[in-house]
Amino acid sequence: QVQLQESGPGLVKPSETLSLTCTVSGGSIGSYYWTWIRQPPGKGLEWIGYVYYNGNTKYNPSLKSRLTISVDTSNNLFFLRLTSVTAADTAVYYCARTDTLSPFDIWGQGTLVTVSS
Amino acid sequence: DIQMTQSPSSLSASVGERVIITCRASQSISSYLNWYQQKPGKAPNLLIYDVSTLRSGVPSRFSGSGSGTDFTLTISTLQPEDNGTYYCQQSYSTFVTFGQGTRVEIK
Repeated sequence: QVQLQESGPGLVKPSETLSLTCTVSGGSIGSYYWTWIRQPPGKGLEWIGYVYYNGNTKYNPSLKSRLTISVDTSNNLFFLRLTSVTAADTAVYYCARTDTLSPFDIWGQGTLVTVSS
Repeated sequence: DIQMTQSPSSLSASVGERVIITCRASQSISSYLNWYQQKPGKAPNLLIYDVSTLRSGVPSRFSGSGSGTDFTLTISTLQPEDNGTYYCQQSYSTFVTFGQGTRVEIK
């Protein structure tokens, strides 16, 4: 079955760029929306955005100016890049799979990213 | 964006009790309403999608209902393993939004 795994630095300095990778294993990255969701410590879930397998993207307007989500279909990977981070970006970051008008049926385990000097 | 409001924000109930969590959308979302359970330190897990369809493997004590803007998640007989935080989520809009969560504690 399809599994997702996030990877990337656990600590990022303020004003720098947060970069994460999600590895899709056990299936093809084709024909789905690959999504990033985050959860600040002790708080709720925030949708960050998604990339379709063809590269089309949709972003949360509150993050759009700092955000890039991309996909590498050859290697079954998709990526998150968030620039100019602050402490407010400290969160557990999840990657997840969805389809049109559909729920998030597969999630990665999540990775904690702390923004601190 | 579509705001999702859950109530209560937390509850404490005994094993065997019936638990109801409500979720209200700021505009109609048709039947594109999903429920997740999250255990501490774990990713959310999909329980119910499209208002009332139980995901395979989810116990039948969980059920969902509603339409338009008002939805409920019911646990018919609360079990010890049902502790955790429950989130509703609308998939009607491409700008996905979640409720703020309901923490369920077992007395």
